Amino acid sequence: EPEVTQTPSHQVTQMGQEVILRCVPISNHLYFYWYRQILGQKVEFLVSFYNNEISEKSEIFDDQFSVERPDGSNFTLKIRSTKLEDSAMYFCASRRSPVTDTQYFGPGTRLTVL
Amino acid sequence: QQQVKQSPQSLIVQKGGISIINCAYENTAFDYFPWYQQFPGKGPALLIAIRPDVSEKKEGRFTISFNKSAKQFSLHIMDSQPGDSATYFCAPSSSNFGNEKLTFGTGTRLTIIP
Repeated sequence: EPEVTQTPSHQVTQMGQEVILRCVPISNHLYFYWYRQILGQKVEFLVSFYNNEISEKSEIFDDQFSVERPDGSNFTLKIRSTKLEDSAMYFCASRRSPVTDTQYFGPGTRLTVL
Repeated sequence: QQQVKQSPQSLIVQKGGISIINCAYENTAFDYFPWYQQFPGKGPALLIAIRPDVSEKKEGRFTISFNKSAKQFSLHIMDSQPGDSATYFCAPSSSNFGNEKLTFGTGTRLTIIP
């Protein structure tokens, strides 16, 4: 069964450094998402992406964040200058089309900012 | 108006019993009501979902009950098994030009004891 994959599984970085989290969505999916989950808290929406542009972003997704689909398979989340409060589990999700509801989630990347 | 409240926070049920988790929402624009299941170290996975044109949907041991006037929906797990031990999230969304970002509840940690 096709699945969303994410790399790395765990990323440790120093405050102020740039990180890139990578996702490979399911191949025939058209809608892509990033969510995050701070330890012990709920999953929060960050950004949605369709047709090579951001379709919606949350208040969390400020100028330090960017997303890109650099080729036909990868979907990346970049945090330009990490802060301690960016420490969280980051989940990528994808959805096939407007008429299908299910979002399929990857296993997540645990980001630790020191 | 985006708030989604989930209860209880944690639940312990005996094997073979019925597990019931509730979700209350405020946004009347929500028109898709899924429950996601998450095991430790994994991303959320869709368990069962309902659209507001029906009040109940059953898939095997899992049932969603939906009360539009009360703005609530619930997950019932019949004949609960140890393998059902996981964290459950309600995550309603609204159709918005196909975007459909999920708004997660705070989660319920379910433990099934022998």
